[in-house]
Amino acid sequence: AQSVTQLGSHVSVSEGALVLLRCNYSSSVPPYLFWYVQYPNQGLQLLLKYTSAATLVKGINGFEAEFKKSETSFHLTKPSAHMSDAAEYFCAVIQGGSEKLVFGKGTKLTVNP
Amino acid sequence: KAGVTQTPRYLIKTRGQQVTLSCSPISGHRSVSWYQQTPGQGLQFLFEYFSETQRNKGNFPGRFSGRQFSNSRSEMNVSTLELGDSALYLCASSLAASGGPTDTQYFGPGTRLTVL
Repeated sequence: AQSVTQLGSHVSVSEGALVLLRCNYSSSVPPYLFWYVQYPNQGLQLLLKYTSAATLVKGINGFEAEFKKSETSFHLTKPSAHMSDAAEYFCAVIQGGSEKLVFGKGTKLTVNP
Repeated sequence: KAGVTQTPRYLIKTRGQQVTLSCSPISGHRSVSWYQQTPGQGLQFLFEYFSETQRNKGNFPGRFSGRQFSNSRSEMNVSTLELGDSALYLCASSLAASGGPTDTQYFGPGTRLTVL
């Protein structure tokens, strides 16, 4: 079964610093991977998705992620953090042949002024 | 286009009661999925409906059930509520035009259920 592991339940960065949120996947077949963001008291918003078209995926709000098969990773990055980026971020993989998303445990990002 | 809407946004129930949550997908979307989010277990898949048929089911007891109507709106029902059912219940919709994994799932704001 496909799964994802997010390293670090909490990440804290200074405003303007690089954001790096880690996600490793486990899949016996080429995976479809997603990053979602959740702001307090809200649902999930899609940041970006990897569907094997290109290994470097650009998303909304300046985020991007690179699919690395050799490292089974799909880390999320943003060059310069904004206060508005403070939220919880979830990496997810689609269960093969279905609409079922399997989520990681989430990483809460804090941005310090 | 209006996004995914869920009603009600907040619910308080007592143990043993039952509850029905509603989800209206984005216009034109035919697939509706439900997820439970708790601090301990994270986000877990409940079930998915497509064209009024349950297509996938997660690992939850039979107390959790759902249905989808001809207009793609969906409801989920939880009977005999337990304290552990307190959670944020999220609904997501997708076009599912191809039935494949490249369809983006769009989430609603969720229904916060508290069981006392």
